[in-house]
Amino acid sequence: EVQLLESGGGLVQPGGTLRLSCAASGFTFSSYGMSWVRQAPGKGLEWVSGIITDSSTYYADSVKGRFTISRDNSKNTLFLQMNSLRAEDTALYYCAKTPAGRSMLPLDWGQGTLVTVSS
Amino acid sequence: QTVVTQEPSFSVSPGGTVTLTCGLSSGSVSSSSHPAWYQQTPGQAPRTLIYTTNIRSSGVPDRFSGSILGNKAALTITGAQAGDESDYYCVLYMGDGIWVFGGGTKLTVL
Repeated sequence: EVQLLESGGGLVQPGGTLRLSCAASGFTFSSYGMSWVRQAPGKGLEWVSGIITDSSTYYADSVKGRFTISRDNSKNTLFLQMNSLRAEDTALYYCAKTPAGRSMLPLDWGQGTLVTVSS
Repeated sequence: QTVVTQEPSFSVSPGGTVTLTCGLSSGSVSSSSHPAWYQQTPGQAPRTLIYTTNIRSSGVPDRFSGSILGNKAALTITGAQAGDESDYYCVLYMGDGIWVFGGGTKLTVL
């Protein structure tokens, strides 16, 4: 059974940094693309970033240059480094496994970790 | 910037059939958009229903089906049940590694 456990969320001031982690189990982590998707309170889903098996990375325009996605296949863990945080980055951040190595389509979802950017 | 469009709300009677659509503000949706559909109830993580146009995710009943209708992706729910009352989101591949979600459709079963 695929399990994805996000952590690292919390309250941070505007301009601050935060690093999210997603511990994966139940599948061969290194063989799949992974994505981060966020959902602001009361709003819809927004694809944030993805990484495929060759570690190529992709970002939504809203976070490009501020967020960095990475993976540690030896630890079955996905990361999202978030810098220069803004109020509009406040959201529940979901980690998602994709159907294939070169895909970033969210398929299996974690339960999310909440990021709040506020002074 | 191209926007992914969905009906903000839809209503269906119990036992009825409803088709939700997912389009582009500019251009047409095709299989190369790799449309996917998600169901989300309040306080829960999204659940994947359909991906790559028409592949049902594990455990999803065959009451849910995906297709391309005209220039849009479509999610059809047959035999609607009270438990289908949820928010439904589509996502489309825009190229260059970028995926964009639609704004979601709130489905009411009554």
